[in-house]
Formats: sequence, C-alpha cells, structure tokens
Amino acid sequence: DQQVKQNSPSLSVQEGRISILNCDYTNSMFDYFLWYKKYPAEGPTFLISISSIKDKNEDGRFTVFLNKSAKHLSLHIVPSQPGDSAVYFCAASGEGGSEKLVFGKGTKLTVNP
Amino acid sequence: KAGVTQTPRYLIKTRGQQVTLSCSPISGHRSVSWYQQTPGQGLQFLFEYFSETQRNKGNFPGRFSGRQFSNSRSEMNVSTLELGDSALYLCASRRGGHADTQYFGPGTRLTVL
Repeated sequence: DQQVKQNSPSLSVQEGRISILNCDYTNSMFDYFLWYKKYPAEGPTFLISISSIKDKNEDGRFTVFLNKSAKHLSLHIVPSQPGDSAVYFCAASGEGGSEKLVFGKGTKLTVNP
Repeated sequence: KAGVTQTPRYLIKTRGQQVTLSCSPISGHRSVSWYQQTPGQGLQFLFEYFSETQRNKGNFPGRFSGRQFSNSRSEMNVSTLELGDSALYLCASRRGGHADTQYFGPGTRLTVL
C-alpha cells in the first residue's frame, strides 16, 4: 500500500504562473516532509522541507503547505520558470522514529515559455 | 564542498551475477542510505547505515546487502541478479540526525540482461 501518493503524474503550466504540486499521505506517524526535484540522469535535489509542527514553510519562490488533518501537503512555485521543469518527489519520514524517507512516485512539471 | 559520489555510473550485468556499487558521502556525513528507483515503483528505500551499523532496512530480499566503512563510505551488493533488479540505485548521505536533509548522489544505472 502506497503511504505517500502524488496523484498527478504530470503538470503543465505557463512561465510566470503558479505551479501547485500536491501530495497525500496515509500514515499519521509521519512528522517530517520534504520535496525533491529531479532532472534526468541526476539524483534528486533537496528543495524544501516542513516539520509537522508547522503548516507553512517558505524559501524564495517555493512554499510548502501542510494540512495535517487532511494528511495533505502541497508545493507552490511562484513564479514558475522553464528551468523548474523536472520531476518533483514528495517524501515523508518519522514513522516509528524511523528516519527512512518514503517517496511518492513523482509529478513531472513542464513550464512552457 | 564535494557532493555525494557514486561509482560506477553505469553497469551492465547478466542474470545470476553479483554486483557491488560504491558510494562516498559528503565529508562529515555519517549516515548513508540506499534507494532503488524503477519506473513502476518509484523510489524505494533499501537500507541506511550510520557509523558502520545498519540502522534501518526496507522490504527487499536478502540478496540486497550493504556495509559501511569507518570513513563512512558505503557499498551495496546484489547477489544472484534478476532482470527485475534493473534500476537506478541512488545513495544519499546526511549528518545523521532525524531532521537532517538527505543529499543524493547521481546514481548508478544497473542493467541486468
């Protein structure tokens, strides 16, 4: 059973607009959430994270929102740039004190010029 | 500061053979985790080593094993290779704490024929 789900395999937006990537999780024991970006032939690159004690974390153009009651988090990219085109993975950790990351299957973002 | 390095980058093996992959973490990082990425299953956690001890383990058969050396470098071994082991194998390092960010290497692309 998939504990971290990214239900949209792909997303296409226009340059300058907002990109919203969504992620749902089922395990209430998760207490730390991260977003990674991955280009082809490269390893995932850390983008931004959020602890379960917060509901928002912002870093430049990237903002992550956490809704614990809905077990949902989202990544907002404003404004979107063509260089943001990549696969975005949502990940969670903390189950039973474990530090292993449980990943979603990713959403491919395409930002059109 | 040098990033996580993995060798080799590409590998072709045949069924039944065994393979050893290597990972050098970022200097000062004591934790190394291994992940398998396949198109169907996404990124799946294999195991984590910290100070030469396996700290966490995913749901992979015993053919997958690893170890960590005193300099924090880690190796992953897969014995009796199967076609389904073809994947991108990613290594990630972090300082060691639960909330520490994991930094990924570029991966080793293993093809089993």
